[in-house]
Amino acid sequence: GAGVSQTPSNKVTEKGKYVELRCDPISGHTALYWYRQSLGQGPEFLIYFQGTGAADDSGLPNDRFFAVRPEGSVSTLKIQRTERGDSAVYLCASSPGASSTDTQYFGPGTRLTVL
Amino acid sequence: AQKITQTQPGMFVQEKEAVTLDCTYDTSDPSYGLFWYKQPSSGEMIFLIYQGSYDQQNATEGRYSLNFQKARKSANLVISASQLGDSAMYFCAMRELGGSQGNLIFGKGTKLSVKP
Repeated sequence: GAGVSQTPSNKVTEKGKYVELRCDPISGHTALYWYRQSLGQGPEFLIYFQGTGAADDSGLPNDRFFAVRPEGSVSTLKIQRTERGDSAVYLCASSPGASSTDTQYFGPGTRLTVL
Repeated sequence: AQKITQTQPGMFVQEKEAVTLDCTYDTSDPSYGLFWYKQPSSGEMIFLIYQGSYDQQNATEGRYSLNFQKARKSANLVISASQLGDSAMYFCAMRELGGSQGNLIFGKGTKLSVKP
């Protein structure tokens, strides 16, 4: 079946602009996660959705970052007033639930470059 | 303090040989899961293997096995019969179940290079 998809695969923007990154999870998966991966590092947690609600947004670095999942499927990560330090690969993952045995399956990521 | 430590930034292995990638973790949560992911140059994170904190036996998945030593808080990945396609970054990750919502905590990764 189809895996997690993310669009766009690459996004180049200018400092101060607004960007939206989209994630389409595996069908039927209720849990959805956003991570950010900087060069040479492991992914870092940003936000987690269970269904439509953000169950944990403790990883969002500041209030310029926001994410939604209005219908419990597709999610959009929104970044306002982008800064050069926001440049990274943004990874989305989904899992059937959030129990200890639920594996998270990742999408290919969106590489964001802020000039 | 780092919750996941991968001490080997890079590793080399000869094709067809076995290799062990190290991972130690730190948690006070009695219930947790340990995961290994592979990230090739294409960037996608590929799930390899899972070990639960209460599992009595080491996890195995094909050529991958997890050497789980709970008292030492280590969860090393063993890849047997290495193939050229195994060249990639490998990340160890942990999910704590006590107070969190299940997000993964990743180490910094180990870059594995398989030599022909």
